[in-house]
Amino acid sequence: AQKVTQAQTEISVVEKEDVTLDCVYETRDTTYYLFWYKQPPSGELVFLIRRNSFDEQNEISGRYSWNFQKSTSSFNFTITASQVVDSAVYFCALSEFNTGKLIFGQGTTLQVKP
Amino acid sequence: KAGVTQTPRYLIKTRGQQVTLSCSPISGHRSVSWYQQTPGQGLQFLFEYFSETQRNKGNFPGRFSGRQFSNSRSEMNVSTLELGDSALYLCASSLNLENTEAFFGQGTRLTVV
Repeated sequence: AQKVTQAQTEISVVEKEDVTLDCVYETRDTTYYLFWYKQPPSGELVFLIRRNSFDEQNEISGRYSWNFQKSTSSFNFTITASQVVDSAVYFCALSEFNTGKLIFGQGTTLQVKP
Repeated sequence: KAGVTQTPRYLIKTRGQQVTLSCSPISGHRSVSWYQQTPGQGLQFLFEYFSETQRNKGNFPGRFSGRQFSNSRSEMNVSTLELGDSALYLCASSLNLENTEAFFGQGTRLTVV
């Protein structure tokens, strides 16, 4: 069965600190996709990144970076120099090949204090 | 480009009633998925529609149903509402089925009293 685990329920940091959100997944598929979404208080899920199972290159986008390691089934997300606007719930998700169905982790609530 | 539009944003219903939620995807997107978000269960997949056909269904009772129209707009219906159906219902649209990124609406907050 497919499963996504985000062990960190809540994280609190002070502005400008770096923070890493952990994501571990389980799947028997050889082709799959991994995602990160941000959910601000307004409720909508904001897409951050998509990775397919054949692309283990790390990615950096501004202050955001992602580390995908198939050997440990992990897809971790790091925010460098965090800002108050980064405060939100972050979800890691997994989808099977050729389907739009997303399996979400339980989410990590990030609070960045000024 | 307009985003995903869900209506209504908030809804209060009584146990036993039925409710219909609407989702208009991004123009050109043909795939629509629905999710239920509750504090206890998190985000759970309800259904996925592509070109008016249900392609995938989550583990929810038959009281939950949906459909997609020829213009890709989608509706979901919940009959005989229960208190446990209180949740944020999120709709996501994608260009196609090939695991492209899904764009979510702001959701419909349903409260069952």
